[in-house]
Amino acid sequence: EAQVTQNPRYLITVTGKKLTVTCSQNMNHEYMSWYRQDPGLGLRQIYYSMNVEVTDKGDVPEGYKVSRKEKRNFPLILESPSPNQTSLYFCASADSHYEQYFGPGTRLTVT
Amino acid sequence: AQSVTQPDIHITVSEGASLELRCNYSYGATPYLFWYVQSPGQGLQLLLKYFSGDTLVQGIKGFEAEFKRSQSSFNLRKPSVHWSDAAEYFCAVGEGYQKVTFGTGTKLQVIP
Repeated sequence: EAQVTQNPRYLITVTGKKLTVTCSQNMNHEYMSWYRQDPGLGLRQIYYSMNVEVTDKGDVPEGYKVSRKEKRNFPLILESPSPNQTSLYFCASADSHYEQYFGPGTRLTVT
Repeated sequence: AQSVTQPDIHITVSEGASLELRCNYSYGATPYLFWYVQSPGQGLQLLLKYFSGDTLVQGIKGFEAEFKRSQSSFNLRKPSVHWSDAAEYFCAVGEGYQKVTFGTGTKLQVIP
C-alpha cells in the first residue's frame, strides 16, 4: 500500500530535550515536506526537499532541522524543543503531478 | 510573497444543498492551485488541482473548482452536499515542487 508513515504519532516531551520525528514514504517520490498545523493558522511549511541531499526552508524553519540522506526518509529534528513548538506535524511526499500525500500526523506537546 | 486567503472560517449547510468555499490567492505568476480536505483526526487528501488549461477543474467526491485569474480566486463548489463532506477544507498555492502555502482552512458543518 502506498503510504507516508510518521513516528511517533504522539509525543510529550520537556523543553530542551532533543527529539526526532521520522517520516518515510514508499512511493519513490523525490519531493518531501514537513508542515505544522496550528488552530486558526492552517498548515505552515517548515522545510521541504526536492531530492536526496537537497533541502530548503519553508515559511517557519526556525528551531527545526531536517536531513535527506535517503530518498524514502525525511526526519524532522528539534534540537532544543520549546513550548511554542507544541503542534500537530505532518510529513508529505509528492509525485510528478505535484499531488502531495500526507502522513497521519504527529501530535507533539512540549512542556 | 505568495499567500492564500480563505475568508470563511466556518460554514454550515444543509444536506443536499449546494456549497461554495472561497479562496483568494496572491502570486506573481501563473499559480499552481490546490484544494485539500482534512477529515477529523486525519491527514490531508487532495481534492483537485489546477496548473493550466481549462479553468474549471473536476476533482474527486463530486467537487469542482474554477480558476478566475481576474479575481485571483479558486473557489470550490459542490452541487449537493452529503453528511460525509463535513470536514475542514484547505486551499493552497505552490510553485510546483517548491514552497506551498496553505490557507487557514474552512470548517464545513452539514446539518440534516
